[in-house]
Amino acid sequence: AQSVTQLGSHVSVSEGALVLLRCNYSSSVPPYLFWYVQYPNQGLQLLLKYTSAATLVKGINGFEAEFKKSETSFHLTKPSAHMSDAAEYFCAVSEIQGAQKLVFGQGTRLTINP
Amino acid sequence: EPEVTQTPSHQVTQMGQEVILRCVPISNHLYFYWYRQILGQKVEFLVSFYNNEISEKSEIFDDQFSVERPDGSNFTLKIRSTKLEDSAMYFCASSEWGGAGYGYTFGSGTRLTVV
Repeated sequence: AQSVTQLGSHVSVSEGALVLLRCNYSSSVPPYLFWYVQYPNQGLQLLLKYTSAATLVKGINGFEAEFKKSETSFHLTKPSAHMSDAAEYFCAVSEIQGAQKLVFGQGTRLTINP
Repeated sequence: EPEVTQTPSHQVTQMGQEVILRCVPISNHLYFYWYRQILGQKVEFLVSFYNNEISEKSEIFDDQFSVERPDGSNFTLKIRSTKLEDSAMYFCASSEWGGAGYGYTFGSGTRLTVV
């Protein structure tokens, strides 16, 4: 069975500081990995995905994530936080072959301090 | 940019009542999904639907739940007799191709409150 653990339910950074949101996964087969963002009163928007190509994946809004198989991690980073980045971020995993469902982590709420 | 539309955005219902949550997927998408998020908990997979039948469902999706694509544009989730623990945000999603690796588009959700 697959699972995702996001370390820290709440992360707070200053505007302009590095954003680091942690995600570790468990999967018995090679995974696909995703980061989704949810702004208040909105749906889940795909930030980026890893689908077994390049291990460093670039997404929208300046975010990127690196797949590290040895560490079973897929941490999300952004060099310089902006006030508009304040949102809930979800890491998710799915199997490569056949599976259609996503297994989500519990989410990390990112707060940006001015 | 094409969107997945969900209605209503918020629904309040009495325990034991039937509710239908509605979704209009993106028009050329063939795969449809429902997820839910109980307040403070993870987003959980409920069901996937393709070619007019359920292709996968979770243990949450018991006999109280059903899905339907009644008219080629809407995709609905019905809960026959709601319980307090059904209170959650329900997300519809669609994708052009099967498999999460191709990417879903999620709707903005329906918040269901059972009283």
